[in-house]
Amino acid sequence: AQSVTQLDSHVSVSEGTPVLLRCNYSSSYSPSLFWYVQHPNKGLQLLLKYTSAATLVKGINGFEAEFKKSETSFHLTKPSAHMSDAAEYFCVVSDYARYSTLTFGKGTMLLVSP
Amino acid sequence: NAGVTQTPKFQVLKTGQSMTLQCAQDMNHEYMSWYRQDPGMGLRLIHYSVGAGITDQGEVPNGYNVSRSTTEDFPLRLLSAAPSQTSVYFCASSYSNGRILPYQETQYFGPGTRLLVL
Repeated sequence: AQSVTQLDSHVSVSEGTPVLLRCNYSSSYSPSLFWYVQHPNKGLQLLLKYTSAATLVKGINGFEAEFKKSETSFHLTKPSAHMSDAAEYFCVVSDYARYSTLTFGKGTMLLVSP
Repeated sequence: NAGVTQTPKFQVLKTGQSMTLQCAQDMNHEYMSWYRQDPGMGLRLIHYSVGAGITDQGEVPNGYNVSRSTTEDFPLRLLSAAPSQTSVYFCASSYSNGRILPYQETQYFGPGTRLLVL
């Protein structure tokens, strides 16, 4: 079975400082991993996805994530936070046994202060 | 393409009432699924379908019923609503690449239905 653990429920940063959102995964297969973002009262937006092509994955809005198999991690980073990055972020693994349905982490709320 | 559409956007029910949440996609995707989102829990899979006439249970199926008679539609039925079913419901669809690892299948999400059960 697949599982995802987001290590921080809340992360607070100042505008212009780096962002690090941590995620560990468990998977019986070569995993497909995703990061989604949800702004308040909005739907889900795909930030980036890893499907084994390259371990460093670049996404939208300056975000990137690095797949580390030895550490079973898929942390999300951004060099410089912007106020508009304040949102909830979900680390997600695709479940091969259930036809690519998704297993979500519990989410990390990113707070950005001026 | 409209993508994945969901209706209604918002609904209030009384305990014991039944209703159907509608989901439709116009991308000819084989796979469709329903998730519910609750604070601090992320999204959890309710039911999913791999084609017309084929459905299966996810992580939290109790109290929900699904069927899939066409490729385009995948309605979710609440048989007797309970306050514990107050949630935001998301429908998603994806194509199949023939089950070849690694997956290139991307889930496309609808805008969600916010349900309040009193």
